[in-house]
Amino acid sequence: DTAVSQTPKYLVTQMGNDKSIKCEQNLGHDTMYWYKQDSKKFLKIMFSYNNKELIINETVPNRFSPKSPDKAHLNLHINSLELGDSAVYFCASRLSGRAGNEQFFGPGTRLTVL
Amino acid sequence: GQQVMQIPQYQHVQEGEDFTTYCNSSTTLSNIQWYKQRPGGHPVFLIQLVKSGEVKKQKRLTFQFGEAKKNSSLHITATQTTDVGTYFCAVGTGTASKLTFGTGTRLQVTL
Repeated sequence: DTAVSQTPKYLVTQMGNDKSIKCEQNLGHDTMYWYKQDSKKFLKIMFSYNNKELIINETVPNRFSPKSPDKAHLNLHINSLELGDSAVYFCASRLSGRAGNEQFFGPGTRLTVL
Repeated sequence: GQQVMQIPQYQHVQEGEDFTTYCNSSTTLSNIQWYKQRPGGHPVFLIQLVKSGEVKKQKRLTFQFGEAKKNSSLHITATQTTDVGTYFCAVGTGTASKLTFGTGTRLQVTL
């Protein structure tokens, strides 16, 4: 009965490859996020979807393309992976409608680009 | 854009000592949240502060929102090894959906 789940947990791949990370939440939330956490632990928002609509798109290379097939799922596809993409990627979800509602994070996907 | 700094970046304490992390914003905030991330884990919500000067307690943790709503602090009394982790403040920016996380304070507790 995991609230926010991500697959895979670990991803090791070569530079130039294309990979996807998947996220699912069973909390009934309508807003989902992707965050990138680098080696210094800085947590930076990348994208957010509300009811399948993109609402936040930070300055992220267009090699990163999020997709939300429904409000319970948010996937992240990365093309032409680079060394600098190595990081932990966290998915999170939230119920909108009230400012300050907490975000629930998934366990993270550790991406290593060789 | 919104900048949220936390100090210190890192603190190492002996078990039983107190610990405080400070969060400072360049702008007035409507609310602030605190999260804890254990080593190898994911951020977990601790609390939200909304009112100027607000103080909230959770067992040994005390959270405070500054009078000017530009800063906040988290104080842990008599730390335990279970307190180890990185503590982040997070502020809402732009739309209520977006959180900007602080730089984090990593706490190490040894016996």
